[in-house]
Amino acid sequence: QVQLQQWGAGLLKPSETLSLRCTVYNGSFSGYYWSWIRQPPGKGLEWIGEINHSGSTRYNPSLKSRVAVSLDTSKNQLSLKVTSVTAADTAVYYCARGYCIGGVCYLGFDYWGQGSLVTVSS
Amino acid sequence: QSVLTQPPSASGTPGQRVTISCSGSNSNIGSHTLNWYQQLPGSAPKLLMYSNDLRPSGVPDRFSGSKSGTSASLAISGLQSEDEADYYCATWDNSLKGLYVFGTGTKVTVL
Repeated sequence: QVQLQQWGAGLLKPSETLSLRCTVYNGSFSGYYWSWIRQPPGKGLEWIGEINHSGSTRYNPSLKSRVAVSLDTSKNQLSLKVTSVTAADTAVYYCARGYCIGGVCYLGFDYWGQGSLVTVSS
Repeated sequence: QSVLTQPPSASGTPGQRVTISCSGSNSNIGSHTLNWYQQLPGSAPKLLMYSNDLRPSGVPDRFSGSKSGTSASLAISGLQSEDEADYYCATWDNSLKGLYVFGTGTKVTVL
């Protein structure tokens, strides 16, 4: 069973850099795309960005100037960095794997990390 | 502000059928396939539907999806207590150079 395990700093001050990692167990990066998604407390879901197994990225235009998603295939790790955080970046952050079956990838995410609560407060 | 609009709440008694709508535009639902997710309290979302009306392995056939034009819907038949959760539609949107967008979410309550 594929498992995504996340970790990273949970409390940041305004202007600091958010850094999260997501390790994939019992699965491969090859042939899949990977995303980060966040959810402010009590609110809905927001897609942050994605990376495919080749390293190509796409980002939410509203966050693009501050976000970087990367892969370390040697460690089966996905990373997220968000610079210059503010209180508006307070959220539960999820990593997720794009849904691919039979070698065909579809819109949607089938495996998710456990979620990491990141709080930005002075 | 999400570009996909869902009713904030829906409810039904056990065994009933509940339908959740998702309204968008030509740049999202009208151009791309739709996903539905179920999010239980304190948990990560779970993919319920892909390509508008297809269920990943393990999703009960009580859940069904449909799409027409710029709108879509998720139906839950034979409602069960464990179906009480938040439900989100989602798809790609072509505006602003493209991004994956989620609906506003619908809280389903089993009475």
